[in-house]
Amino acid sequence: EIVLTQSPGTLSLSPGERATLSCRASQSVSSSYLAWYQQKPGQAPRVLIYGASRRATGIPDRFSASGSGTDFTLTISRLEPEDFAVYYCQQYGSSPPYTFGQGTKLEIK
Amino acid sequence: EVQLVESGGGLVQPGRSLRLSCAASGITLDDYGMHWVRQAPGKGLEWVSGISWNSGRIGYADSVKGRFTISRDNAKNSLYLQMNSLRAEDTALYYCGKGPGPSTGPIDYWGQGTLVTVSS
Repeated sequence: EIVLTQSPGTLSLSPGERATLSCRASQSVSSSYLAWYQQKPGQAPRVLIYGASRRATGIPDRFSASGSGTDFTLTISRLEPEDFAVYYCQQYGSSPPYTFGQGTKLEIK
Repeated sequence: EVQLVESGGGLVQPGRSLRLSCAASGITLDDYGMHWVRQAPGKGLEWVSGISWNSGRIGYADSVKGRFTISRDNAKNSLYLQMNSLRAEDTALYYCGKGPGPSTGPIDYWGQGTLVTVSS
């Protein structure tokens, strides 16, 4: 099983600042099959990024992602008030289980 | 508009069984892989199980393997999760999710979840 470790656990920033979230895998994620999700309180998650760097439909271009192998990053270039939420990475490589990271909470400073 | 609606959750005693359903509308389910993901109260997301469009590829989290069974009925546009030998640690909100293609892949649409509480 691939274990995903996200850091930091909590990130405190102000609107307009840049956010950088990390997701590290215990072994290489095949074909960059890594996704990022955003979850707000009381809501289901929504996909932001898949294939390590492809924005999902309707996701603003202030969200970007990169990485391969075991190290992946989600960047939010200029934080908007609606971006404060919990973010999860998930690997969906060649074989299940398709594990999630433990999440990074992005909170308003 | 794609809609996924879960049902079947509730309060159940440890050791008992429960069957969750997920009804899809706005899409033809047999074009897509599907997933179950759960979230214990105040905790993070845990992938539970996934199934490809034709049930040819199925996977489970280690925590549920041997106890849970995923299935689908494409004619009814529905996904199921049979949960046996339930434990207190299975208490969670269970989400149904759709993949973008026929295999499993990421989850591009989510239901609102159905709550399962395992307690005596």
